[in-house]
Amino acid sequence: AQSVTQPDIHITVSEGASLELRCNYSYGATPYLFWYVQSPGQGLQLLLKYFSGDTLVQGIKGFEAEFKRSQSSFNLRKPSVHWSDAAEYFCAVGPSNDYKLSFGAGTTVTVRA
Amino acid sequence: GAVVSQHPSRVICKSGTSVKIECRSLDFQATTMFWYRQFPKQSLMLMATSNEGSKATYEQGVEKDKFLINHASLTLSTLTVTSAHPEDSSFYICSARGQVDPNYGYTFGSGTRLTVV
Repeated sequence: AQSVTQPDIHITVSEGASLELRCNYSYGATPYLFWYVQSPGQGLQLLLKYFSGDTLVQGIKGFEAEFKRSQSSFNLRKPSVHWSDAAEYFCAVGPSNDYKLSFGAGTTVTVRA
Repeated sequence: GAVVSQHPSRVICKSGTSVKIECRSLDFQATTMFWYRQFPKQSLMLMATSNEGSKATYEQGVEKDKFLINHASLTLSTLTVTSAHPEDSSFYICSARGQVDPNYGYTFGSGTRLTVV
């Protein structure tokens, strides 16, 4: 069975500082990996995804993530956060032969001025 | 492209009544749709998977008679919460997948906040 762990429940970061959100997955083969962002009361917006190839993935809004097979991780980073980045972030994993996503518990990001 | 519209965004209903939530793919044909439930400050839990023209597949622990899912066309799936009770209050989100979808089938609707009073 696949599973996702986001170790950090809540992260507070200063505007302009860098941000890294951790994600670890458990899956028997190479998974499809995703990061989504959710603003309060809204649906999910895809930030980026990894299927294969280059392990450093660029996404929207200046986010990037790196797939590290040896560590079963897919951490999300942003060099300089903006106040608008305050939201809930979800890491998700899906198998290549199915479309059922498993989501992590989410990390709430608060941005302070 | 790949837009999913979910309606209504908010609904308040009385206990014992039924509520229907619609999920539409606006610019692609959705062969599969997924329904998720999200409790406050928690992650998304997959409730069921529906394929156009066939019965939905429910996840373990989800009452199929309470959460009726219909996927009668390639652009519309509905979730009906029957005989709603306060414990059904939650945020419900759908996602849709087409045969050719650059997001690998994970285009999400904007969610529906259901409050049962």
